Amino acid sequence: QSVLTQPPSVSAAPGQKVTLSCSGSRSNIGNNFISWYQHLPGTAPKLLIYDNNKRPSGIPDRFSGSKSGTSATLGITGLQTGDEAHYYCATWDNSLNSWVFGGGTKLTVL
Amino acid sequence: QVQLQQWGAGLLKPSETLSLTCAVYGESFSGYYWSWIRQPPGKGLEWIGEVSDSGRTNYNPSLESRATISIDTSKNQFSLKLRSVTAADTAVYYCARHTAYTYSNSYSYHTDVWGEGTTVTVSS
Repeated sequence: QSVLTQPPSVSAAPGQKVTLSCSGSRSNIGNNFISWYQHLPGTAPKLLIYDNNKRPSGIPDRFSGSKSGTSATLGITGLQTGDEAHYYCATWDNSLNSWVFGGGTKLTVL
Repeated sequence: QVQLQQWGAGLLKPSETLSLTCAVYGESFSGYYWSWIRQPPGKGLEWIGEVSDSGRTNYNPSLESRATISIDTSKNQFSLKLRSVTAADTAVYYCARHTAYTYSNSYSYHTDVWGEGTTVTVSS
């Protein structure tokens, strides 16, 4: 059971837009910044978004992030087959004094 | 460009101690947190714990009793030891570099550099 809640799977067609949700509580998302990671099989996870909505250098602006209260969203526009991956949200939890993840969402680009 | 290279035993028997090391190239320890994260087969990511550049540690409460993370600044390496392993500890283990800071009354903790991962299997 993950501290942050993500839908197990989402699917969309190439070129479309998709939003991935992540919900938590005041002790984590509600009071701290969230980051998002893309995880392709056999590779290390890759940072897509940090501090709720900032993109590291090299991450295309097709990826965006937002946060409201105790929930956060990752948006991906112009879907490509290469975007098929698991996506994880993560943040610090003040009650657990730990870095916590969502269970991950598997994105399928049909 | 900072790179993390990790290594350690990939096959353990129940009750043995898992030992992994991560070498940091192109960056000093200063100003960052260094952590271990794992992913069991078919499951999500789990943070094991961290060590600061000064050697201060913090662990996931679920693993705190068995885990030890340490740094060796002279070698630019940090290590993980996990005692009394069971099949439930079978996972891909990653080392990672974290950036952490507080602003606007919120804490930012994220990782932008990962090791390549080490598969650890616990089996009798």
